[in-house]
Amino acid sequence: NAGVTQTPKFQVLKTGQSMTLQCAQDMNHNSMYWYRQDPGMGLRLIYYSASEGTTDKGEVPNGYNVSRLNKREFSLRLESAAPSQTSVYFCASSEATGGNYEQYFGPGTRLTVT
Amino acid sequence: RKEVEQDPGPFNVPEGATVAFNCTYSNSASQSFFWYRQDCRKEPKLLMSVYSSGNEDGRFTAQLNRASQYISLLIRDSKLSDSATYLCVVNANNNDMRFGAGTRLTVKP
Repeated sequence: NAGVTQTPKFQVLKTGQSMTLQCAQDMNHNSMYWYRQDPGMGLRLIYYSASEGTTDKGEVPNGYNVSRLNKREFSLRLESAAPSQTSVYFCASSEATGGNYEQYFGPGTRLTVT
Repeated sequence: RKEVEQDPGPFNVPEGATVAFNCTYSNSASQSFFWYRQDCRKEPKLLMSVYSSGNEDGRFTAQLNRASQYISLLIRDSKLSDSATYLCVVNANNNDMRFGAGTRLTVKP
């Protein structure tokens, strides 16, 4: 039981390049999330998917797109990377949305945009 | 003003000490509250949920004061393994979890 897995672990991009961060969970959770974490700031929600087939914007969605490929997988795409997107990206999942459900996080992807 | 504010620390305490962290939140409609723990360069993990009546889990006690809009975490008999960053998390609107920037704790022998 791997929980939440993310690939890649590290990535360096040049400004304007595109890439997709992959996330998968094996806990049969309905809801999945993408966050970014910057120094001195809390995790901020980029997008979430309450259930398979739905996605919604979070607090900081600009510059990102997401795809809920199936119940297990939720990917985050940067179409044209900018230095401001240098961050640590965490994917998370939970049984359902709503405040009482624990979120389980993946190990993170450290992205640097030069 | 940040929605969830925490003292960033660091708190440096000796083993066996009692340490307390506070967290304030701005959205009075917030419904659910949590403490997560994050080790250096690792992912956050749930430490405990915070209930209105206060709750305890071993050496850890969490309390909520809705009137003053703050949450606290008390750690008794600190262990070296408690060294981590503690994140206060507030659920303001069902899917909208807001994280504090974290309070760093170092427990020294």
